[in-house]
Amino acid sequence: AQKVTQAQTEISVVEKEDVTLDCVYETRDTTYYLFWYKQPPSGELVFLIRRNSFDEQNEISGRYSWNFQKSTSSFNFTITASQVVDSAVYFCALSDLDSSYKLIFGSGTRLLVRP
Amino acid sequence: DSGVTQTPKHLITATGQRVTLRCSPRSGDLSVYWYQQSLDQGLQFLIQYYNGEERAKGNILERFSAQQFPDLHSELNLSSLELGDSALYFCASSLGLAGWDEQFFGPGTRLTVL
Repeated sequence: AQKVTQAQTEISVVEKEDVTLDCVYETRDTTYYLFWYKQPPSGELVFLIRRNSFDEQNEISGRYSWNFQKSTSSFNFTITASQVVDSAVYFCALSDLDSSYKLIFGSGTRLLVRP
Repeated sequence: DSGVTQTPKHLITATGQRVTLRCSPRSGDLSVYWYQQSLDQGLQFLIQYYNGEERAKGNILERFSAQQFPDLHSELNLSSLELGDSALYFCASSLGLAGWDEQFFGPGTRLTVL
């Protein structure tokens, strides 16, 4: 069955440190999609990225980068030079054929960036 | 601002009651999704509607129902409420019917059942 594991419940860093949030997924499908969402203290969910299973290229967007490795079923998220505004809960999610392409979320990682 | 609106923002009610949560999708989006976020269950998909028709169902309780109206807004009805139904309920919308489309989330409705 499909599953998303975010083993890090909470991470605390000092501003300007780099931080990597781990995401490991399980799926039997060859076609699937992976997502990262950010939930700041205000509560709304903000879309960050979507990646399909056929595109293993890493992606960089400003201070954010994502490392997709099918060999280890991981889709990790790195924030470079973290800022206090990065403090939020980050969710990794999976959408595959077995789940009728519903979004299956991980349990989230709470990131606290201290000044 | 995602363009998705949800009302009310907060709702406090008693066990056994019934409530209705409302969602207006982004302009042009045809799909509406409902999610429940609770401390013990995390973020769970409940149900999806596309252009007025039910498209996909998740772990939605029989006490819960939803619908999407011709103007594409959606309502989630929760009845015979229990303490465990206290949660943050999100609505999201997307342009197409595929669950892998980028979904835009509303600010959520926080339901407290006393």
